[in-house]
Parts: sequence; C-alpha cells; structure tokens
Amino acid sequence: GDSVTQMEGPVTLSEEAFLTINCTYTATGYPSLFWYVQYPGEGLQLLLKATKADDKGSNKGFEATYRKETTSFHLEKGSVQVSDSAVYFCALRDNNDMRFGAGTRLTVKP
Amino acid sequence: EAQVTQNPRYLITVTGKKLTVTCSQNMNHEYMSWYRQDPGLGLRQIYYSMNVEVTDKGDVPEGYKVSRKEKRNFPLILESPSPNQTSLYFCASSFRGNQSPLHFGNGTRLTVT
Repeated sequence: GDSVTQMEGPVTLSEEAFLTINCTYTATGYPSLFWYVQYPGEGLQLLLKATKADDKGSNKGFEATYRKETTSFHLEKGSVQVSDSAVYFCALRDNNDMRFGAGTRLTVKP
Repeated sequence: EAQVTQNPRYLITVTGKKLTVTCSQNMNHEYMSWYRQDPGLGLRQIYYSMNVEVTDKGDVPEGYKVSRKEKRNFPLILESPSPNQTSLYFCASSFRGNQSPLHFGNGTRLTVT
C-alpha cells in the first residue's frame, strides 16, 4: 500500500539557519503531496501542497517540490524563525487514502 | 468561520464506560475522517466517511464505531473503552478528490484508566 517516510527528529536549529526535512513516499497511483504543521495544542494545518510531478508548493517561506523520479517531497526554508517551532508532517492523498509520515519536531532557538 | 469542531477537548474516563466524541464541520465537505495520534506513530486512520450513510474502516478500527447520519456530523463512539485507547484524537474533513487538503479539528485528548 501507499506510505510516507520522513526524517526522524527532533531537529534543533538556530534562528536564520537553513531547514530541510526529508520526505519520501511510495504510491501505486498519482497522489497529491502535502506538508502539514502542528503547533502545540492544535490540530494539523495545511502548510503547502503539490498535486503533480514537478509542481512546487510554497507558503510562508517554506517550499517543497514534487519529484516523481526520486519519489520525494522534501521541505525547505532558507531562514527559520523561532515561531517555526512545531511538528511537521508529510502526507500523500491517493483518492480517499490519506497517509501521513510520523512527524518531525522542529525547535528553533534564538 | 470555516472550521471543524471537536468536543470535548479533554476527557478522562474509566475502562468500559461508553463515550462519544463529537465532530462537526461547516464547510459542506463530503469526506470526514477520524485519526489517532500516538508518539512515534504519526496519525493513523480509524474510520472515514465519503458521504452521508457511507462509512469505511481505516487502519485501526477495532474498538471504535462511527455514524454519518448528517453531512456535517461524524461522531466517534467507544462502546467499551480500554487503556490502549488512551490517545490524542483528531477529526478531519475535506471535499472529495486527491487535491483537497484535510481540515482538522483541535483534537481530543482521551485518557482511559
């Protein structure tokens, strides 16, 4: 079946550092790919998405490109802020099958 | 405001005492789903519903029931809770189709003693 594997955390960075969180997937169909963010005490919120190969999703300085050849959707941000501290989930949706990675906790220190 | 509302936010109960967690959405979404979140395991789907009166098992349905009598509501029922159902539960909804992202409620933290 479909699955998502993402980089294990936790990840700790200093403010203004470059962020990469790796995500790879396996799917039999043509899924859409998503990154969600979860702040403490809240539900998951959509951060960005890409619906087909070579699409780039972007939001709030975060970016991820749908790479079919490497089955990857890595999350990047050029300069992280303390307010980016959260748990990040990579996910895919193939029709009504939604799969999530285990989540990566990011802590950004001033 | 478009939202998914879950109640209660926190619940402590004892083994075997039936409980219901409610979920309601105001976005006219066809698709609704329940997940549980456990450390190191990410989100695992319990049940989902494609539309009114249509429900299907997810990956971890044992010990849970759901119903979808109205489009906006999708309650999760634990008929006889056990300690291994202690977890953080999320309801989510979306339009059907690959490209639609899920909208999540703020979660229900359940403790079964």
